[in-house]
Amino acid sequence: QSALTQPPSASGSPGQSVTISCTGTNSDVGGYNYVSWYQQHPGKAPKLMIYEVTKRPSGVPDRFSGSKSGNTASLTVSGLQAEDEADYYCTSYAGSNNLVFGGGTKLTVL
Amino acid sequence: EVQLVESGGGLVQPGGSLRLSCAASGFSFSSHWMYWVRQAPGKGLEWVANIKQDGSETYYVDSVKGRFTISRDNAKNSLYLQMNSLRAEDTAVYYCAKLRLWSYYAMDVWGQGTTVTVSS
Repeated sequence: QSALTQPPSASGSPGQSVTISCTGTNSDVGGYNYVSWYQQHPGKAPKLMIYEVTKRPSGVPDRFSGSKSGNTASLTVSGLQAEDEADYYCTSYAGSNNLVFGGGTKLTVL
Repeated sequence: EVQLVESGGGLVQPGGSLRLSCAASGFSFSSHWMYWVRQAPGKGLEWVANIKQDGSETYYVDSVKGRFTISRDNAKNSLYLQMNSLRAEDTAVYYCAKLRLWSYYAMDVWGQGTTVTVSS
């Protein structure tokens, strides 16, 4: 049950796009279309942003999108806004009823 | 309003026990898989355990197997986490979360968390 690999940090200016990667193996990210992304502001609970790789819950802006290629999933935030500054975590089903998270990426809006 | 409220956290000595509770409201609790996820200070999220709607299936991360027990009482709309043989590395904020209906492993509602500190 090794953690998925995310870059520790990412940044972009308002209005720009930024992509956060989440790399696993063919036993987790690559093996299932069950990748979710969560946004967490300091001191707050996580919020579901993307599930099943590309699906967006109602209420989440369409500036947030997800994708996957092989063992790497990605979260893209388009049209960056100040309120997007937060920590982002990916998670994937890893078989045998296990769920594994990434280490998290701190997104800074410059 | 859909809500999850955790309680039961606190300071406990290594080797001690603690029971966390999570009170659910605003949704059909008995229809959802439920999860516990924790976050050590300054660290990332870690799945701890989950439980099926009727409590017939439970799953745990390897590091807590044999020490933690997840359970639920659908009549009381409540989720629990019994934590025994606690270690310093169990120190974390513990969140309960519900699985989004008709989805795979997507937790769409989270509580505010309860803090567990294991220290002598």
